[in-house]
Amino acid sequence: KAGVTQTPRYLIKTRGQQVTLSCSPISGHRSVSWYQQTPGQGLQFLFEYFSETQRNKGNFPGRFSGRQFSNSRSEMNVSTLELGDSALYLCASSHGQGNSPLHFGNGTRLTVT
Amino acid sequence: GENVEQHPSTLSVQEGDSAVIKCTYSDSASNYFPWYKQELGKGPQLIIDIRSNVGEKKDQRIAVTLNKTAKHFSLHITETQPEDSAVYFCAAPSVEWGGSYIPTFGRGTSLIVHP
Repeated sequence: KAGVTQTPRYLIKTRGQQVTLSCSPISGHRSVSWYQQTPGQGLQFLFEYFSETQRNKGNFPGRFSGRQFSNSRSEMNVSTLELGDSALYLCASSHGQGNSPLHFGNGTRLTVT
Repeated sequence: GENVEQHPSTLSVQEGDSAVIKCTYSDSASNYFPWYKQELGKGPQLIIDIRSNVGEKKDQRIAVTLNKTAKHFSLHITETQPEDSAVYFCAAPSVEWGGSYIPTFGRGTSLIVHP
């Protein structure tokens, strides 16, 4: 079974631009979560989608948004990029029922200059 | 919400030694505790998990123990090998909303195994 796929692997953007990241979950998984990983803050939860609906949201500004499609694929968008948005963005999928384990992709490394 | 503390932040051992990483959590309702291994350039991968109805779980050289009374759980790696070198994260659920499980992660332990 194929794992979680994230594209692109690397992105370089300038301040003020916007960016869209993509995530394809493991087949059969209906939940997709997004995390931001930085050396200073560790792994921080952005939001979770389940059956095309945002089910949970972390403490990030409204510039961070996402969506999920009917095939469970998900996209994350960051508008008006800031230098502090530079991070590894990780997507994780799961069955989404109870404490089902998260399966992470290898992330998208975003650099904002 | 859940608060997860992980120690140590860095652990250096000789090949063949054992390594122990400990995490404490704050929410007594937490009932699922996974451990993830993150190698350079990759996302975290689940290596072992434990549910609150058991006190210990083993998988070859890896084991996890859980003390619900003290609210801590630990990862034990025996006979360490250089390929065990990675960053290890513990996690505990902080929110269950509509059936979802949103883990709070520890800050990570960088394990270095010297040949």
